[in-house]
Amino acid sequence: QVQLVDSGGGLVKPGGSLRLSCVASGFTFTDYHMSWIRQAPGKGLEWVSYINTSGSGIYYADSVKGRFTISRDDAKNSLHLQMNSLRVEDTAVYYCARGNKYPGYWGQGTLVTVSS
Amino acid sequence: EIVLTQSPGTLSLSPGERATLSCRASQSVTSSYLAWYQQKPGQAPRLLIYGASNRAAGLPDRFSGSGSGTDFTLTISRLEPEDFAVYYCQQYDKTPLTFGGGTKVEIK
Repeated sequence: QVQLVDSGGGLVKPGGSLRLSCVASGFTFTDYHMSWIRQAPGKGLEWVSYINTSGSGIYYADSVKGRFTISRDDAKNSLHLQMNSLRVEDTAVYYCARGNKYPGYWGQGTLVTVSS
Repeated sequence: EIVLTQSPGTLSLSPGERATLSCRASQSVTSSYLAWYQQKPGQAPRLLIYGASNRAAGLPDRFSGSGSGTDFTLTISRLEPEDFAVYYCQQYDKTPLTFGGGTKVEIK
């Protein structure tokens, strides 16, 4: 069965960095675009970034452009999100998701808290 | 940016009743590139509908989606206890991909 396992979240100070990971199983990872979507505590959903199958097509929300970098390691069936210059407003649960249009599979989410 | 406005913010209904959720887009969503998700507390969202009216695999047929252009609707014909949750619409016509603010369906 399809499984996405998110990890890497934690508490970080403003200006700090964090690297999120998502390990995929149960499907052919190289066949799918992948995305990161976040949800601030008690708030709605925000699409953060996606990457296409070849890694050459990448999208970032304006709110994270220049600070976050998405990447994929097809050999390890994994997706990553390098987050630099973190801000308090980046505090959220970050979900890895399969697809870049209407994801049918999501990870369980990993909580990133940016606070001094 | 396409802004999606969901209404009502909260819907208070009893099991067995019909739920009608609205999603209005600030500009036309081409080819009905609109999806609906259900989210329960502490869980990731679950895809319900894509292409405005296509059910995700395994979704009970009490869920249906309709609409085009700027007005879309998710209908739950008879609410089951497990349907009480928050529902989000999302457009994938144009970047940035955007979600609506959500409608909470709560037990009356």
